Amino acid sequence: GDSVTQMEGPVTLSEEAFLTINCTYTATGYPSLFWYVQYPGEGLQLLLKATKADDKGSNKGFEATYRKETTSFHLEKGSVQVSDSAVYFCALTRGETSGSRLTFGEGTQLTVNP
Amino acid sequence: DAGVIQSPRHEVTEMGQEVTLRCKPISGHDYLFWYRQTMMRGLELLIYFNNNVPIDDSGMPEDRFSAKMPNASFSTLKIQPSEPRDSAVYFCASSFSTPDTQYFGPGTRLTVL
Repeated sequence: GDSVTQMEGPVTLSEEAFLTINCTYTATGYPSLFWYVQYPGEGLQLLLKATKADDKGSNKGFEATYRKETTSFHLEKGSVQVSDSAVYFCALTRGETSGSRLTFGEGTQLTVNP
Repeated sequence: DAGVIQSPRHEVTEMGQEVTLRCKPISGHDYLFWYRQTMMRGLELLIYFNNNVPIDDSGMPEDRFSAKMPNASFSTLKIQPSEPRDSAVYFCASSFSTPDTQYFGPGTRLTVL
């Protein structure tokens, strides 16, 4: 079945540091890939997405490129801020007629210190 | 748009009691999802609906859990009887089509004593 694997957390960085959170997936066909973010006490919200190979999703300084050859969708940001502290989830959906279910990774807790 | 609305935000109950969680999806969305989040198991999809019809309930833990969607603007997740291991945050999400962005509600934090 489909699966998503994220790098183990938690991740602690200083403000303005470079961020990478690794995500790899296993799925048949051509899934759509997502990064969701969950701030403390809130629900998940979409950060960015990519729907086909070599697409780059970007939002709020975060980027991720859909790499089919390595089945990866790593999240990057050049300079993190304290306000980026949250849990980040990589996810995929194949969106076939059989379903629109999102398969989530385990989440990576990011803490950014001033 | 108000976003996905869930109620209550917090629920504390005793083992054996019936618990009902409620969700109002974003108007116009025809997919509705129920998730459960725990430290041990992460995010789990319990059930989802398309046009008010349950499509996949394979994630529902056991017969104590049931979900309904009587109309396009309302869904319930019921646990009867509740057990301490049901303690978790339950999220409702909706989307317009497939595959598409899912919009999550703020969640209901359930504590079963």
